[in-house]
Amino acid sequence: EVQLVQSGPEVKKPGEALKISCQGSGYIFTTHWIAWVRQTPGQGLEWVGIVSPGDLDIRYSPSFTGRVTISADTSRNTAYLMWDTLTSADSGTYYCARLRKDAYSYADQWGQGTLVTVSS
Amino acid sequence: SFVLTQPPSLSVAPGQTASLPCGGDDIGSKSVHWYQQRSGQAPRLVMYYDSDRPSGIPQRFSGSNSGNTATLTISRVEAEDEADYYCQVWDGSSDHPVILGGGTKLTVL
Repeated sequence: EVQLVQSGPEVKKPGEALKISCQGSGYIFTTHWIAWVRQTPGQGLEWVGIVSPGDLDIRYSPSFTGRVTISADTSRNTAYLMWDTLTSADSGTYYCARLRKDAYSYADQWGQGTLVTVSS
Repeated sequence: SFVLTQPPSLSVAPGQTASLPCGGDDIGSKSVHWYQQRSGQAPRLVMYYDSDRPSGIPQRFSGSNSGNTATLTISRVEAEDEADYYCQVWDGSSDHPVILGGGTKLTVL
């Protein structure tokens, strides 16, 4: 069974750093993209960025470029989303999703979401 | 960059048909995918490649794509269909390949 399991909820203060994770199982981790998607309360889904674990092709949404870092560790079948300096604007639920590697890619599996709360 | 436009909300009575549009310039030349997100849950795929249903998605769900509008159609709407629905396309040649619509909140009256 294909699964994406995300790390647990986080409560942080502004200025702190954070790393959340998404571990894939039930498939060959390097054969699919992993995307990160943010959702803030009452708002829609926003694409954050995407990583190809096999060759570390990483692309960011213009809205998140320079604000987050995405990486992947194939030895752990895990993708990461990291912040060096959190602000309250980073609060939200972050989902990871597995995307097929083809010409018209779509997300066929989603993680359960990680709630990030940034508050003083 | 390519933009997908969805109406913020749509209401339908149980048993009726809901047609959820997703607009984009010549979207008919692209492949459109749809996700359903029920309240408090993670999104899930309900339609891919315009009109293919993943296993487990009821036959009441269908999709089409032509011209400047792709449409997710839900026939015989049930209370469990109340959710947010998002359309998505992929532009692999771009540095920003994942394109998401703003989502439509479907309310079952």
